[in-house]
Amino acid sequence: NAGVMQNPRHLVRRRGQEARLRCSPMKGHSHVYWYRQLPEEGLKFMVYLQKENIIDESGMPKERFSAEFPKEGPSILRIQQVVRGDSAAYFCASTPGDEKLFFGSGTQLSVL
Amino acid sequence: DAKTTQPPSMDCAEGRAANLPCNHSTISGNEYVYWYRQIHSQGPQYIIHGLKNNETNEMASLIITEDRKSSTLILPHATLRDTAVYYCIVRVANTNAGKSTFGDGTTLTVKP
Repeated sequence: NAGVMQNPRHLVRRRGQEARLRCSPMKGHSHVYWYRQLPEEGLKFMVYLQKENIIDESGMPKERFSAEFPKEGPSILRIQQVVRGDSAAYFCASTPGDEKLFFGSGTQLSVL
Repeated sequence: DAKTTQPPSMDCAEGRAANLPCNHSTISGNEYVYWYRQIHSQGPQYIIHGLKNNETNEMASLIITEDRKSSTLILPHATLRDTAVYYCIVRVANTNAGKSTFGDGTTLTVKP
């Protein structure tokens, strides 16, 4: 049973470009969470999704950030018009039913 | 979710037990204590959780005080690979697992 898969592992974007981060949850898991971790800081909750539904996006910045978890395919975290302050590690986690979390290896986003 | 307090850092000699404390004096009766760890540049890893009884698994033991206001994670024979940031989280089980606040955790350094 493969773990939570995130890709790409590293992503470099120039200011103003779009960043798309992908997360495939563990088989059988229908709950996905996205986190952001700035250098030397803890994980900050961003958004909680179930298949085709956003359950809680209270941690998402109001502009430029969006997330989806379609019926088929991975969950996508999309950042439009990236700025240098978006540079961070982005982790996703999945869970089968709201218990312990299984994390991916993260995507390191660098904005030049 | 209740707030937790952890020491920012601890050292431990290789082969000795590592005892990581966590204070959660405002914990509610239906909140569990969860522990995760994050090895540098990797996604966090679930370790153990409990409600009021002590728990043990292949990774660690969790000791929760009788009043439930504090707990201790015990790694019985620490190895160099246990060097990581350890996060203590309290939350109600089966409710929005991933929105928990991870805080700054304790950086455990295992020394040869």
